[in-house]
Amino acid sequence: EAGVTQFPSHSVIEKGQTVTLRCDPISGHDNLYWYRRVMGKEIKFLLHFVKESKQDESGMPNNRFLAERTGGTYSTLKVQPAELEDSGVYFCASSQEGFLSIQETQYFGPGTRLLVL
Amino acid sequence: AQSVTQLGSHVSVSEGALVLLRCNYSSSVPPYLFWYVQYPNQGLQLLLKYTSAATLVKGINGFEAEFKKSETSFHLTKPSAHMSDAAEYFCAVSLLHKAAGNKLTFGGGTRVLVKP
Repeated sequence: EAGVTQFPSHSVIEKGQTVTLRCDPISGHDNLYWYRRVMGKEIKFLLHFVKESKQDESGMPNNRFLAERTGGTYSTLKVQPAELEDSGVYFCASSQEGFLSIQETQYFGPGTRLLVL
Repeated sequence: AQSVTQLGSHVSVSEGALVLLRCNYSSSVPPYLFWYVQYPNQGLQLLLKYTSAATLVKGINGFEAEFKKSETSFHLTKPSAHMSDAAEYFCAVSLLHKAAGNKLTFGGGTRVLVKP
C-alpha cells in the first residue's frame, strides 16, 4: 500500500511568487491534514479536510494560503504571494478513522521543503 | 488550549545506553498522547500512542512511554540505543473533543545522535 505522497519534495521561489503544493493521501482515507514546520519551531497544524469539506482551518496563517481538496482525493495548498516567513517544511497527513475517534492514527508524508528568497 | 514541551532539542547517547526523551504537556481535558519519529528524508512515523488504557505503552523498535498524570509527562525510553535510532523524535497531543477536533499539537522535537 502506497503511503502519503507529496510533491514537490523541494521548492525554491522568490518572494511574491506563487507556489502550489500537492498531497496524495493513502487511498480510502477521508481525513487529510496539512501541517507546517517553520525552521527552528514546532510542527503546527494548518487545516483538516474530511473528504472535500474543511473541518477545521483554524491554523491557516492568513488569506495568502488556500487549500483545496476537490473530489475528496488529493489536496493542494497554494501560497500566493509567498513571503519570506512562509519558508519551512509543509507536511501532509491522512487517516481513515472518524471524527474524534480515539483509534485515529495520522500517517504523514515526507514533506515539501519550501524556501522563499 | 493544549501545549507540549520537549526538554532538550538535541540528545547524544552512546550505542547500547539508555535513551530517555522527555515530554511534558498541558491540557484542560484528558489528553491523547503520541510519539512520532522522523528519519532523514522520510515522513513522521508513529512510534506509540496513549489513549487512556494502560499507562505504560509499548511501541515499535523497542520504545516505550509512560503516562504520568500527576507529572503531566509522557517520557519516551529505550533500554539500549542502536545506531538506527538516530532520528528526530516528536511528542504530540490530541484532545479529541469538539472544540479542538482531531489536530495534533507538537513539541519542538528532539534530535537524537547515537555515538558508536
